[in-house]
Amino acid sequence: AQSVTQLGSHVSVSEGALVLLRCNYSSSVPPYLFWYVQYPNQGLQLLLKYTSAATLVKGINGFEAEFKKSETSFHLTKPSAHMSDAAEYFCAVSGIGGGFKTIFGAGTRLFVKA
Amino acid sequence: KAGVTQTPRYLIKTRGQQVTLSCSPISGHRSVSWYQQTPGQGLQFLFEYFSETQRNKGNFPGRFSGRQFSNSRSEMNVSTLELGDSALYLCASSLGIWGRTLNTGELFFGEGSRLTVL
Repeated sequence: AQSVTQLGSHVSVSEGALVLLRCNYSSSVPPYLFWYVQYPNQGLQLLLKYTSAATLVKGINGFEAEFKKSETSFHLTKPSAHMSDAAEYFCAVSGIGGGFKTIFGAGTRLFVKA
Repeated sequence: KAGVTQTPRYLIKTRGQQVTLSCSPISGHRSVSWYQQTPGQGLQFLFEYFSETQRNKGNFPGRFSGRQFSNSRSEMNVSTLELGDSALYLCASSLGIWGRTLNTGELFFGEGSRLTVL
């Protein structure tokens, strides 16, 4: 079975500071990995995904994530936080190991201070 | 291209009633997945339909059911509602075909149906 663990349910950063949201996955076979963002009262939208091409994946709004197989991690980063980045972020895993259903982590709420 | 449409957006029911939620996927998408989102449990996978067949199922009781029509529209039904069923129900559509293609695995979400059970 596949699973995802997000470390930290809440992360607070100052505007302009580095954003680091942590995600570790469990999968017996190479997975597909995703980061989604959810703004209040909205559905989720895809930030970026890893599908076994480049290990460093660039997404929208300046976010990127690096797939590290040895650490089973897929952490999300952004060099400089903006107020508009305040939202909830979900890491997700899918692939043949889980029957191709997408399983989400518990989410990390990002707060950005002025 | 129209996005994923969920109806109704908000609804209030009482315990013991049943509810049906609807989801219209993006044109050309054959897969529809349903998720339950609550503050305590996060996003929980309910089920996925592909070409009118249930392809995957989560760990929910039989009170939760769904179906998909030939035009890929999907409905989910919850019978004998309980207070704990209060949640945001999210529908996501996708191509549903896995492989090393550009859109592999990407889910497109609707804005959800917020159910309150009193």
